[in-house]
Amino acid sequence: EVQLVESGGGLVQPGGSLRLSCAASGFTFSDHYMDWVRQAPGKGLEWVGRIRNKPHSYTTEYAASVKGRFTISRDDSKNSLYLQMNSLKTEDSAVYYCARSAPGDCAGYWGQGTLVTVSS
Amino acid sequence: DIQMTQSPSAMSASVGDRVTITCRASQGMNNFLAWFQQKPGKVPKRLIYAASSLQSGVPSRFSGSGSGTEFTLTISSLQPEDFATYYCLQHNSYPLTFGGGTKVEIK
Repeated sequence: EVQLVESGGGLVQPGGSLRLSCAASGFTFSDHYMDWVRQAPGKGLEWVGRIRNKPHSYTTEYAASVKGRFTISRDDSKNSLYLQMNSLKTEDSAVYYCARSAPGDCAGYWGQGTLVTVSS
Repeated sequence: DIQMTQSPSAMSASVGDRVTITCRASQGMNNFLAWFQQKPGKVPKRLIYAASSLQSGVPSRFSGSGSGTEFTLTISSLQPEDFATYYCLQHNSYPLTFGGGTKVEIK
């Protein structure tokens, strides 16, 4: 069974940093692209970014709203995905989900999400 | 960037109704289009991928169609458990973009 479990959310002050993790199991993690998607309270879904797999050189893509502040990485030996968030703004407050993807296939499986609150 | 305009943003419907939700892309794209259902407090669930392929385990009353710039999600006979918010997602080009969502409420 595919499982994705996010962790690392919490309360952080504006300008601060936070690192989210996503632990994967039940599938060959190294074969897949991975996405981060977020949802602000009462709002719609927003794609944050993607990291490709080793055959695609672990390259990344980001939404304009987070580019230069957020960094996606992965450790295939630990079946783990990460989202390093720096220079956080109040508008980054949201539930952050990790999702499994592949070339031509997007977000077929999601984690349960972790809540990030940016507030003073 | 491809903008996805989803309509309607909300609707009221009755059990048994046929429901149609549309996403229009700001430019032509391939069929890299997925539909998701989200219930309050729950994780989004993919219903349709590749514009018209039904996700395993999803009831056959859900269907997807379309190409180019217009894509449609249809629920052939709305059931009580289908009251939720629905989103489209294009993954044809970066940045990936979601539609604004359609909230389907009970009439």
